[in-house]
Amino acid sequence: GQQLNQSPQSMFIQEGEDVSMNCTSSSIFNTWLWYKQDPGEGPVLLIALYKAGELTSNGRLTAQFGITRKDSFLNISASIPSDVGIYFCVTDDKIIFGKGTRLHILP
Amino acid sequence: EAGVAQSPRYKIIEKRQSVAFWCNPISGHATLYWYQQILGQGPKLLIQFQNNGVVDDSQLPKDRFSAERLKGVDSTLKIQPAKLEDSAVYLCASSAGQKQGELFFGEGSRLTVL
Repeated sequence: GQQLNQSPQSMFIQEGEDVSMNCTSSSIFNTWLWYKQDPGEGPVLLIALYKAGELTSNGRLTAQFGITRKDSFLNISASIPSDVGIYFCVTDDKIIFGKGTRLHILP
Repeated sequence: EAGVAQSPRYKIIEKRQSVAFWCNPISGHATLYWYQQILGQGPKLLIQFQNNGVVDDSQLPKDRFSAERLKGVDSTLKIQPAKLEDSAVYLCASSAGQKQGELFFGEGSRLTVL
């Protein structure tokens, strides 16, 4: 089946730092979405991208739909403690989730 | 607007026992999904319903898992008999279907099989 490769698997950063993560696949998709999951909760949609090359922002979050339609990037600027969690990329093909990027903020 | 409701939140059973999880989607959402999330992994789609019909159940282990959405609203996921490897969080999600991939998730039901 289709596979989404998320990178990095984990990140340990200081509060205030910017964060970048990405998701790649060997397949072409029409939609890329980014979800965040807090401990003990279900995932919540952050950003949805529907067009190749599209760049969309949601507050401190910015995501891009790669031109090749095989990848997507998520950036978080000026991280704060509530950004801690697991970030998943998701595509429209059977709503497949990647394995996630775990974001930790060092005290 | 009420979110996706799931119950129970936690369930502990012994292997070979049976268990059922219930989900009530957001009112008016035609599409309902059940996902299995094993610790440390991303959610894996088990079954997708459109109203009361199954759209995709290709990853549902049908020898032990079953799901129904008889009236096109709430849904039940059953496991019988449970195995140790079924220990996971079972997430229910719904969508209005207007934008592909935009799902609303419940808090999940955490199953521990001993």
